[in-house]
Amino acid sequence: SQQGEEDPQALSIQEGENATMNCSYKTSINNLQWYRQNSGRGLVHLILIRSNEREKHSGRLRVTLDTSKKSSSLLITASRAADTASYFCATDKSNDYKLSFGAGTTVTVRA
Amino acid sequence: SQTIHQWPATLVQPVGSPLSLECTVEGTSNPNLYWYRQAAGRGLQLLFYSVGIGQISSEVPQNLSASRPQDRQFILSSKKLLLSDSGFYLCAWSSAGAVGETQYFGPGTRLLVL
Repeated sequence: SQQGEEDPQALSIQEGENATMNCSYKTSINNLQWYRQNSGRGLVHLILIRSNEREKHSGRLRVTLDTSKKSSSLLITASRAADTASYFCATDKSNDYKLSFGAGTTVTVRA
Repeated sequence: SQTIHQWPATLVQPVGSPLSLECTVEGTSNPNLYWYRQAAGRGLQLLFYSVGIGQISSEVPQNLSASRPQDRQFILSSKKLLLSDSGFYLCAWSSAGAVGETQYFGPGTRLLVL
């Protein structure tokens, strides 16, 4: 079963607005990652946040992690048309080479 | 720098035919290798992973199999395809010994079984 679940399933925003999506998971993790997938393409790694970190930034991306609530959020600021994609969170388990991916949030940025 | 290749990009196969999808990684040694399947509009389902030559772990019982004949080569196979095997197949790698670290994905193979 999937460990991470993203919310909302889909999001439509105007260019320049911020986009926020959330990920909830069930069991303890070492790391949580966010990936982006453009239509028909492979996934691209965006950011990794470790269980002892609470917030991380990368360019226009901001990720938060709340291990007490078993949840994470991804914020994309000042969105652009090129941000149109599906976004997935992925979690691991202790001493496990595997990642568990959620079903993703599809973001559409309108020009 | 490291690169990952998958081929073919697209494949249309009749039910009951065999399948062979190939994935190769360049620029790294002894990577962890993964095969995922993605149904339309869905998340990724891990099919197989490998932490070394000849070491294959299967996640989901099905009519697919995987092999790792060389350090940086990962092959997904089937003897007889089913309609339900249609989907987008993604290969990924991560650094040797990396637990829970970044995975790097190939461009994918879209398989349609008719």
